[in-house]
Amino acid sequence: KQEVTQIPAALSVPEGENLVLNCSFTDSAIYNLQWFRQDPGKGLTSLLLIQSSQREQTSGRLNASLDKSSGRSTLYIAASQPGDSATYLCAVKKGAQKLVFGQGTRLTINP
Amino acid sequence: EAGVAQSPRYKIIEKRQSVAFWCNPISGHATLYWYQQILGQGPKLLIQFQNNGVVDDSQLPKDRFSAERLKGVDSTLKIQPAKLEDSAVYLCASSYIGTSGIRNEQFFGPGTRLTVL
Repeated sequence: KQEVTQIPAALSVPEGENLVLNCSFTDSAIYNLQWFRQDPGKGLTSLLLIQSSQREQTSGRLNASLDKSSGRSTLYIAASQPGDSATYLCAVKKGAQKLVFGQGTRLTINP
Repeated sequence: EAGVAQSPRYKIIEKRQSVAFWCNPISGHATLYWYQQILGQGPKLLIQFQNNGVVDDSQLPKDRFSAERLKGVDSTLKIQPAKLEDSAVYLCASSYIGTSGIRNEQFFGPGTRLTVL
């Protein structure tokens, strides 16, 4: 059974800092990994999707890496801004099977 | 392109009452998903539809939850009767290809926050 863990559960940093969020999964036979952002009271917004054959994906100030063999992914946020404050979730997918989510990291960027 | 629509956004009911949620996926998306997200946890898949057929309902509490997707477009999720532990956000998502196709990214609606008293 696939399990996804995100550490830390919560993170608070000053504005402008670069930061890394971590995601680990127990079954390395995944099809893809997706990072989402969730704002309070809202649904999930997809940030980056990494196929199993890829090592990383970049979008603006965000960079996600994937190391299937070690069962790990990181989301790097450069030059953090208060607007980046949200909960970040990672999820893995195996073939046609369902997305399995981690519990999320609640990020607060302090002005 | 319009996103995934859900209604209502909020619902408060007493235990043992019934409740229904509605979802309209992105036009052209064959696959529709219902997730339950309890406070402080990641979403958990309840049921997945491919067109109007069920692909996965292994985590749906079938004694009280039911879902349908008539005509392969809109979907409703019902809880009858509700329990206190059903308090959660119910998220609907859709994707263009639900099997091991290329880039089957899921797009989520805003969710319905259910409080059971």
